[in-house]
Amino acid sequence: GAVVSQHPSWVICKSGTSVKIECRSLDFQATTMFWYRQFPKQSLMLMATSNEGSKATYEQGVEKDKFLINHASLTLSTLTVTSAHPEDSSFYICSARSTGRTGNNQPQHFGDGTRLSIL
Amino acid sequence: AQTVTQSQPEMSVQEAETVTLSCTYDTSESDYYLFWYKQPPSRQMILVIRQEAYKQQNATENRFSVNFQKAAKSFSLKISDSQLGDAAMYFCASGLYNTDKLIFGTGTRLQVFP
Repeated sequence: GAVVSQHPSWVICKSGTSVKIECRSLDFQATTMFWYRQFPKQSLMLMATSNEGSKATYEQGVEKDKFLINHASLTLSTLTVTSAHPEDSSFYICSARSTGRTGNNQPQHFGDGTRLSIL
Repeated sequence: AQTVTQSQPEMSVQEAETVTLSCTYDTSESDYYLFWYKQPPSRQMILVIRQEAYKQQNATENRFSVNFQKAAKSFSLKISDSQLGDAAMYFCASGLYNTDKLIFGTGTRLQVFP
């Protein structure tokens, strides 16, 4: 159980295009999803917290107009990298937290990540 | 603010032996929890073990156990009977009860030699 699917797993596109990454919780409902960015050989940096039905909360230094997050349902959150440039190339990982039980101490379940390469 | 520090960029262990990965953290909160995640070459983050700060008993999950020293803010991971499949990046992370955010350490790359 607790499977999170992330799509696509790898995308290569030209500079200036927009790229959408999907994060789905397959067998549970997720009120909250998280988007991370990971540079090579570095740790995961939280970009934003996505809450179903409301605006995402962005971490300091993350451009909300650059990284658009939509969490339209309890099983789907999307991250759109708008007008992507080579410096946006990175590994993006989503995670989802189950809403099955009360309390905020449920573990996050991670997707497989998306490798984004901007030429 | 929360911080998580992993002081060992790389560790190695012989198959079937035991290895301990170090992690220290800092937080001013009283309600928090700690995790160890494993990231194999496939890049998927896999939860290894978790520990609630209010619990004094160290968490154990099969071959994986933690040494949680709350006063010292230390949270080390012990892997017993190491297997080749344990080779991966291991990240220590902390989270607060009143938010869902996880703060990750910089990771420790574990190599397992046959």
